[in-house]
Amino acid sequence: EAGVTQSPTHLIKTRGQQATLRCSPISGHTSVYWYQQALGLGLQFLLWYDEGEERNRGNFPPRFSGRQFPNYSSELNVNALELEDSALYLCASSFLSGSTGNQPQHFGDGTRLSIL
Amino acid sequence: SQELEQSPQSLIVQEGKNLTINCTSSKTLYGLYWYKQKYGEGLIFLMMLQKGGEEKSHEKITAKLDEKKQQSSLHITASQPSHAGIYLCGAAIDTNAGGTSYGKLTFGQGTILTVHP
Repeated sequence: EAGVTQSPTHLIKTRGQQATLRCSPISGHTSVYWYQQALGLGLQFLLWYDEGEERNRGNFPPRFSGRQFPNYSSELNVNALELEDSALYLCASSFLSGSTGNQPQHFGDGTRLSIL
Repeated sequence: SQELEQSPQSLIVQEGKNLTINCTSSKTLYGLYWYKQKYGEGLIFLMMLQKGGEEKSHEKITAKLDEKKQQSSLHITASQPSHAGIYLCGAAIDTNAGGTSYGKLTFGQGTILTVHP
């Protein structure tokens, strides 16, 4: 069974540009999550999508946005890139979590975004 | 302060030694997850604990969630160089508004484990 796949592996941009990161979840998973892992800041929750809807959002500015497609794949868009956006962006997928219980999130290998 | 505190921050052990990593919160944890990460790579899911007092084992790794569901420990028996990496605990935590952040995982800062052959 294929795991969570992310593309590209590496992305180099300059300040002010826009970046698009892509994620394909494990087959059967409807939820996709995005996390940022910046040096010294640990793993920070960005966004959670399920069935095409945004379910929860972390403490990030609006220039971080995303969407989930009908096939459950997802895109993370970062506009007006700043130097501090340099980080490893990790995508995870799971079956839907909710009041009936949590589901383990399975992670991809990430996209390394570098801002020059 | 961190919502999820991991200790120690780093650990260096000799191959064959046992070790324990702790993960503590001041709030109730719903769904406590342990992951392993190699530097710069994705997270590998190890175990999930949901019930107070729950304990799970996989090969030489055992994880427990205390009865109050505010602390978890990860124990490795007879460590091997293949155990080296960064161990992260993540959890859905009670929000101040009284709900639970299902789906949104809060992570500890990680414990860097080095195992010398």
